[in-house]
Amino acid sequence: ELKVEQNPLFLSMQEGKNYTIYCNYSTTSDRLYWYRQDPGKSLESLFVLLSNGAVKQEGRLMASLDTKARLSTLHITAAVHDLSATYFCAAGNTGNQFYFGTGTSLTVIP
Amino acid sequence: EAQVTQNPRYLITVTGKKLTVTCSQNMNHEYMSWYRQDPGLGLRQIYYSMNVEVTDKGDVPEGYKVSRKEKRNFPLILESPSPNQTSLYFCASSLSGPVLGPQHFGDGTRLSIL
Repeated sequence: ELKVEQNPLFLSMQEGKNYTIYCNYSTTSDRLYWYRQDPGKSLESLFVLLSNGAVKQEGRLMASLDTKARLSTLHITAAVHDLSATYFCAAGNTGNQFYFGTGTSLTVIP
Repeated sequence: EAQVTQNPRYLITVTGKKLTVTCSQNMNHEYMSWYRQDPGLGLRQIYYSMNVEVTDKGDVPEGYKVSRKEKRNFPLILESPSPNQTSLYFCASSLSGPVLGPQHFGDGTRLSIL
C-alpha cells in the first residue's frame, strides 16, 4: 500500500515570506498531484508531476518531484493572503488507486 | 461546462436508513471514484471504477456499495448507515485513472448519521 505523508500539517506564515510544504510517499508512484481546497469548497487541481525532476510553476507556487527520494515539494514564494487554503498532495500508481496526504492547512497573515 | 455533480449536498439521517448519494459527470471520463474526508485523515478512497461494470475497493470500503451501470453515473450507497460514516464525501472523475491525469471533484456531500 502506498502511504503519503505531508508536513507540516499546519502552517501560519506572514505575507511576503517563503515556505515549503513537503510530501513523502512510501513506494514507487507513477504520478504526483497537488490540489488546493478552500474552506467549505471542493478540491481544485494545481499541478501534475509526471517524472523525476519535474518542476511546475503557477504564480507564487512551484512544485517539484524527486522520484528517487520519493519526495515532492510545494514552494510558496512571497505569500499573499489569497493563498490561504488547505493543500493536498496525492500519489497514483498502476494499481489505479489514488492516495492522499493528510493536507497542510496554510494561513497567510497580513 | 465540464463538471461533476453530487446530490444531495447535505443530508442528516438516522442509523440504519438506507441512502444513496448520486454522482454524475459530463466529461466522458472512464475513471470515477468516491472519497471521504475526515479531519486529520485527509481524503481516503472508498471505491473506484475504471469503466462501466468495473468497480474496485479502495482503502475504506466497509459499509459502502457502488455501481457503475452507465459511464456518467457512479452512485454511492449506504445500505445501513452508522454514525461512524458521518463525514464529508467527494465524488471525482478523471480521464483514465491515476496515470493519465488529475481528478475533477464534485462539490461534496456532507452526511450526518444520527
